[in-house]
Amino acid sequence: NAGVMQNPRHLVRRRGQEARLRCSPMKGHSHVYWYRQLPEEGLKFMVYLQKENIIDESGMPKERFSAEFPKEGPSILRIQQVVRGDSAAYFCASSLDSYEQYFGPGTRLTVT
Amino acid sequence: DAKTTQPPSMDCAEGRAANLPCNHSTISGNEYVYWYRQIHSQGPQYIIHGLKNNETNEMASLIITEDRKSSTLILPHATLRDTAVYYCIVRVLGRGANSKLTFGKGITLSVRP
Repeated sequence: NAGVMQNPRHLVRRRGQEARLRCSPMKGHSHVYWYRQLPEEGLKFMVYLQKENIIDESGMPKERFSAEFPKEGPSILRIQQVVRGDSAAYFCASSLDSYEQYFGPGTRLTVT
Repeated sequence: DAKTTQPPSMDCAEGRAANLPCNHSTISGNEYVYWYRQIHSQGPQYIIHGLKNNETNEMASLIITEDRKSSTLILPHATLRDTAVYYCIVRVLGRGANSKLTFGKGITLSVRP
């Protein structure tokens, strides 16, 4: 059973561009979570989605960030008009029943 | 979710048991204790969780005190690959806002040869 997959693993964007981060949950998992880890800081929750629904977005910045988890396909975390402060590692986790969360390898976003 | 406190770091010798403490003195009756670890910027890895009974799996053992105000994660035979940041998290199991994991600073375990 393949684990949580994230792509790309590394992403470089110039200021003002858009970043799209993809997350494919483990097979059978319908709960997806996104977390962000800024350099030298801890992991912070961003958003929790269940197929086609946003359940909790209390950790999402109010502007430029959005997330979706369509009926078919991976979950997408989208960052519009990136700024240097968006440089971080973005981790996706999935779970079967909102109990144990299994994390992917992360996407390292660098904004130049 | 209740807050947890962990020492910032500890080390142990390879092959010996590593005992990682965690205080969660304000834990509620319906909150579980979870442990995750993060090895050198990889994605966090689930280790174990428990409510009030001691738990053991292939990775570790979790000892929760009778009053549930503290717990200890035990890696019985630490290896160099166990060097990581270990996070103790308490959370209510459920949907919605209860689902998120709130990570603190964790404890950095260094296993020395």
